[in-house]
Amino acid sequence: KAGVTQTPRYLIKTRGQQVTLSCSPISGHRSVSWYQQTPGQGLQFLFEYFSETQRNKGNFPGRFSGRQFSNSRSEMNVSTLELGDSALYLCASSLFQGFQETQYFGPGTRLLVL
Amino acid sequence: DAKTTQPPSMDCAEGRAANLPCNHSTISGNEYVYWYRQIHSQGPQYIIHGLKNNETNEMASLIITEDRKSSTLILPHATLRDTAVYYCIVRVASINDMRFGAGTRLTVKP
Repeated sequence: KAGVTQTPRYLIKTRGQQVTLSCSPISGHRSVSWYQQTPGQGLQFLFEYFSETQRNKGNFPGRFSGRQFSNSRSEMNVSTLELGDSALYLCASSLFQGFQETQYFGPGTRLLVL
Repeated sequence: DAKTTQPPSMDCAEGRAANLPCNHSTISGNEYVYWYRQIHSQGPQYIIHGLKNNETNEMASLIITEDRKSSTLILPHATLRDTAVYYCIVRVASINDMRFGAGTRLTVKP
């Protein structure tokens, strides 16, 4: 079974631009979560989507948004990019059986904001 | 989610067992212990998880103390490819907003 895939793997943007990242979960997985990882803050939870609805949200500004499609694929968008948004963005999927969930991570998208 | 405490770094000789400790003294009854590892610049890799019983899979063993306040991840025969940052996370298993700490940087040496 194929793992979580993320596109693109690398991205360079300039301040003020916006960016859209894509995540395809493991086949059959219905929940997709997004995380931001930086050297200073570590790995931080952004939000989780299940059945096209945001289920949980971390403590990030409204510039960070996401959505999930009917096939469980997810996108996250960052508007008005800031230098501090440079990070590794990770997507993780899980089955969502309602109880014990194990999340599996993709390889990440490395975003550099200049 | 309960807070975890891990040593910042550990070394292990290749071929020997690597024992990575984790303290989670405020763990709640419905929280599981999960272990992930991250090799530089890659996505975290799931290793193992448990509630209160010891668990073993093809990658590792997880030993949880009877009071559940601490646990140990055991890599039975460490290889150079096991060099990574290992994260211990305690979480309610139905909630997918995992909180990662700083983890333990394990270096396996030849």
